[in-house]
Amino acid sequence: QKEVEQDPGPLSVPEGAIVSLNCTYSNSAFQYFMWYRQYSRKGPELLMYTYSSGNKEDGRFTAQVDKSSKYISLFIRDSQPSDSATYLCAMSVMNRDDKIIFGKGTRLHILP
Amino acid sequence: EPEVTQTPSHQVTQMGQEVILRCVPISNHLYFYWYRQILGQKVEFLVSFYNNEISEKSEIFDDQFSVERPDGSNFTLKIRSTKLEDSAMYFCASPAGGFRNEQFFGPGTRLTVL
Repeated sequence: QKEVEQDPGPLSVPEGAIVSLNCTYSNSAFQYFMWYRQYSRKGPELLMYTYSSGNKEDGRFTAQVDKSSKYISLFIRDSQPSDSATYLCAMSVMNRDDKIIFGKGTRLHILP
Repeated sequence: EPEVTQTPSHQVTQMGQEVILRCVPISNHLYFYWYRQILGQKVEFLVSFYNNEISEKSEIFDDQFSVERPDGSNFTLKIRSTKLEDSAMYFCASPAGGFRNEQFFGPGTRLTVL
């Protein structure tokens, strides 16, 4: 079983729709959960950062973490064509090294 | 958003040559990280660097790789003898505040080995 699993997509939705992106993981030691957005041939851009279980909202973005199910989600409300990108889930363990383990990314297309 | 810069943006080299990739992390932070992303693949951890020494390295980071902080602001990744399979995007990352897991990535250097 891979450490972090993410459906690569592509996922196409019409403008204005709610987008749901998800990841599952196997390592119960993960405590920090992130979502990055990456445009083609660019660096990952940190969107959301959460610790342990629960929800976090920032504008149109909501991140959810369910540690009991080892499942994390990112919701995008009122999606815009500019949201078209690859979304990477990422997570790490609280230790001295703090390396981030990434999912493979989901390609998202918002159709105007 | 805090900014991490990297140079060059694109490096083309011949197999067997040495390359040095440079990063200017977010200032006043002691933790630095290098990751790489082969085209179409996931972002993979290479090495973490703390207080002028390697903190952790992955299986990818073999003897051909080295990292240095030659001065107070730059952070380099050296590949001594490049191989075709080293072709990838290389990202430098740096935390901005107290949480080391909250890492901000640079724009990357695209390394092409011919």
